[in-house]
Amino acid sequence: GEDVEQSLFLSVREGDSSVINCTYTDSSSTYLYWYKQEPGAGLQLLTYIFSNMDMKQDQRLTVLLNKKDKHLSLRIADTQTGDSAIYFCAETSSGYSTLTFGKGTMLLVSP
Amino acid sequence: DTAVSQTPKYLVTQMGNDKSIKCEQNLGHDTMYWYKQDSKKFLKIMFSYNNKELIINETVPNRFSPKSPDKAHLNLHINSLELGDSAVYFCASSQDPIFGTYEQYFGPGTRLTVT
Repeated sequence: GEDVEQSLFLSVREGDSSVINCTYTDSSSTYLYWYKQEPGAGLQLLTYIFSNMDMKQDQRLTVLLNKKDKHLSLRIADTQTGDSAIYFCAETSSGYSTLTFGKGTMLLVSP
Repeated sequence: DTAVSQTPKYLVTQMGNDKSIKCEQNLGHDTMYWYKQDSKKFLKIMFSYNNKELIINETVPNRFSPKSPDKAHLNLHINSLELGDSAVYFCASSQDPIFGTYEQYFGPGTRLTVT
């Protein structure tokens, strides 16, 4: 079955860039997503990338996709304390609409 | 306006009871989902409905019965609650995947605690 892996924890200082990495196993993945979950809250869709793209930039967020290595990353520029949250990588495969999530990366931003 | 709403936000109940969680979306989406997030924050799909019809049921015990009275609502009824059912349950919705987009929007979650 599909598998999505992420590192569990990342700590950065305010103003630095954060890079959260994700690997997946399903070669038929169509869309790959990044969701953000703040404590006690629901999941907020941050951005997504279609599998035929290499990069997508949206303000402070840059998503890089290496389809050959099945590696996805999320770069947050000028990280702020408000970016502290759990970040989930997720994927869907062609023909299926349900998301397969990674276990989430907890990002801690210190002042 | 809340796009995907769930009620209640918190639910505390005893083992053996039956409870329901309601979900509504005002996005005009055709597809709705239930996900379960366990104590380790792991998220897993439970059900998917498209236009009121069940399309995915991921090895969920039959004590869990989703019901979709119309395409804007997907409720989750749980019979004979067990301790292991304690989790946060998220409802989500998206356009029909045949349109080629799978953006899913999530509700705020319902934290279920079974004692």
